[in-house]
Amino acid sequence: EAGVVQSPRYKIIEKKQPVAFWCNPISGHNTLYWYLQNLGQGPELLIRYENEEAVDDSQLPKDRFSAERLKGVDSTLKIQPAELGDSAVYLCASSLSKREQFFGPGTRLTVL
Amino acid sequence: GIQVEQSPPDLILQEGANSTLRCNFSDSVNNLQWFHQNPWGQLINLFYIPSGTKQNGRLSATTVATERYSLLYISSSQTTDSGVYFCAVGGPTGANNLFFGTGTRLTVIP
Repeated sequence: EAGVVQSPRYKIIEKKQPVAFWCNPISGHNTLYWYLQNLGQGPELLIRYENEEAVDDSQLPKDRFSAERLKGVDSTLKIQPAELGDSAVYLCASSLSKREQFFGPGTRLTVL
Repeated sequence: GIQVEQSPPDLILQEGANSTLRCNFSDSVNNLQWFHQNPWGQLINLFYIPSGTKQNGRLSATTVATERYSLLYISSSQTTDSGVYFCAVGGPTGANNLFFGTGTRLTVIP
């Protein structure tokens, strides 16, 4: 069974530029999560989808971050414009309903 | 959110030694997972253990939900066990958002 797939693995951009991350969850998993991991810390939830619906986006900075999950499968997380403080690892996870979560390899973003 | 505390923050072991990692949490939970984050940043699932005891090879875990803690045991450690171990919990509301601790960084030396 294939795991959670994320791309790109690494991204370097200049501040004020836009950037997008893509996630393909494990087949059949209806719940998808985006987490942010800063250096030396544990991941923190940004947004949770149940099927196509964003049911918890309270931690998503909506002035510059947006996300979508069309057709309830793949998801895209976007930052526009990026700031220096956005440098971090962006992790995608999926689960079958409210059970065990499985994580992708992450996208390491560097904003210069 | 739920507060998660892990101890110790850092641990250095000689290859072959045993260790116990602890995770305390501040509220009742309906999900608890242990992860190993390898040097490439991948979070590897070790245990899904909201309660009870499980074993997988040299690793075992116990969660005492009523007392709000979980323990991860590593026996006969190997250099490949090095990395950061995270405990993450999901709260009682049923949302299953995971709250992570700050991790235990384990270094196993040959």
